[in-house]
Amino acid sequence: GEDVEQSLFLSVREGDSSVINCTYTDSSSTYLYWYKQEPGAGLQLLTYIFSNMDMKQDQRLTVLLNKKDKHLSLRIADTQTGDSAIYFCAELPIAGGTSYGKLTFGQGTILTVHP
Amino acid sequence: NAGVMQNPRHLVRRRGQEARLRCSPMKGHSHVYWYRQLPEEGLKFMVYLQKENIIDESGMPKERFSAEFPKEGPSILRIQQVVRGDSAAYFCASSYSGLAGGKIGEQYFGPGTRLTVT
Repeated sequence: GEDVEQSLFLSVREGDSSVINCTYTDSSSTYLYWYKQEPGAGLQLLTYIFSNMDMKQDQRLTVLLNKKDKHLSLRIADTQTGDSAIYFCAELPIAGGTSYGKLTFGQGTILTVHP
Repeated sequence: NAGVMQNPRHLVRRRGQEARLRCSPMKGHSHVYWYRQLPEEGLKFMVYLQKENIIDESGMPKERFSAEFPKEGPSILRIQQVVRGDSAAYFCASSYSGLAGGKIGEQYFGPGTRLTVT
């Protein structure tokens, strides 16, 4: 299957942590990406993880992967108002050791950060 | 180092007209992908092209839509006889390599073309 699912909305206070969740369905090796989209703009790649990893940290961002449950999360520490945007997770399964870039996106989570 | 460029940024067409969307990949990238984002939805893959070749067009509607990436010049997504349901944001992405695998396969997205069909 190719469904990638996300919760639609998340609202947090400035300074709190945000956790955005995503589930994916492909059972083979896969790359999983997080993109940020600000209003009227394109997608900005934030980070990615390969499915043989459990965690990846990059400054305020922490990605956690539970391969057994096919669950991916993005944690943003010390969330700022500038983090308000739509966050997309996307999956890129690897077939036979190689693949090309046919990303499958979730529907996006709208993160709202209140002062 | 210019990123992926798309033009026009906004395009308004009447039903039945043709829409041409252009994408110039990042310098050094020879792989281009087109995605469509309908209102309040995620992006859906349409087509993957390498210079002068269509590699995967499994996401393209069977009729009215075509894409090309000539040896010289930008990639073009062409929609003939547009209908209201074609109204969407169309994003182009490019990568250095078509192979997935960390940095070389990373897709960089353009700002999108927002097509409105009246």
